[in-house]
Amino acid sequence: DSGVTQTPKHLITATGQRVTLRCSPRSGDLSVYWYQQSLDQGLQFLIQYYNGEERAKGNILERFSAQQFPDLHSELNLSSLELGDSALYFCASSVGLAGDYEQYFGPGTRLTVT
Amino acid sequence: AQKVTQAQTEISVVEKEDVTLDCVYETRDTTYYLFWYKQPPSGELVFLIRRNSFDEQNEISGRYSWNFQKSTSSFNFTITASQVVDSAVYFCALSGDNYGQNFVFGPGTRLSVLP
Repeated sequence: DSGVTQTPKHLITATGQRVTLRCSPRSGDLSVYWYQQSLDQGLQFLIQYYNGEERAKGNILERFSAQQFPDLHSELNLSSLELGDSALYFCASSVGLAGDYEQYFGPGTRLTVT
Repeated sequence: AQKVTQAQTEISVVEKEDVTLDCVYETRDTTYYLFWYKQPPSGELVFLIRRNSFDEQNEISGRYSWNFQKSTSSFNFTITASQVVDSAVYFCALSGDNYGQNFVFGPGTRLSVLP
């Protein structure tokens, strides 16, 4: 158990809908990272937050947004969903920035868009 | 543009064999980070190692070792005396100086260790 929790584990929704994925980092970790893993695109880094502030952006679509709250949990919002958004979404956390600290991953949320 | 190549799509070895997973990267950054991640059949991701571009020392952790060579832009991963539990997909990744900057994963190498 990495100590990182993600909810829900599975999510099935229809095209055009909006969903929110939630991540709770390990106790004491200030950085949260979001990744997407799909059959088409492989693994991609989406976005990173550190202590409530956005630190880095990867291949995150404009339809997607994220935030990190004062209690350090993070949410990834996906809107106007398309079939191609079906993927496994991972969250990870680290004490500091991942260049210098080990990352711990959650179990992932599997999103299916029908 | 940043790029990571893992030319070996799939590797099969018999238990106790040594195996090396290749990772070749391309970057114009002078400062960058390299990573290896493991994804076992259960699906979770596991961080294995990070290395910054200024540290070319090889690293050993138990049966795992990493060989970083800037001259050939490679960051290879060797598992000594492989075990069935090592069966997984292994991803190499590259980031700019600030994590997430120009971040890219390789396509992964699926390692099967047969008993």
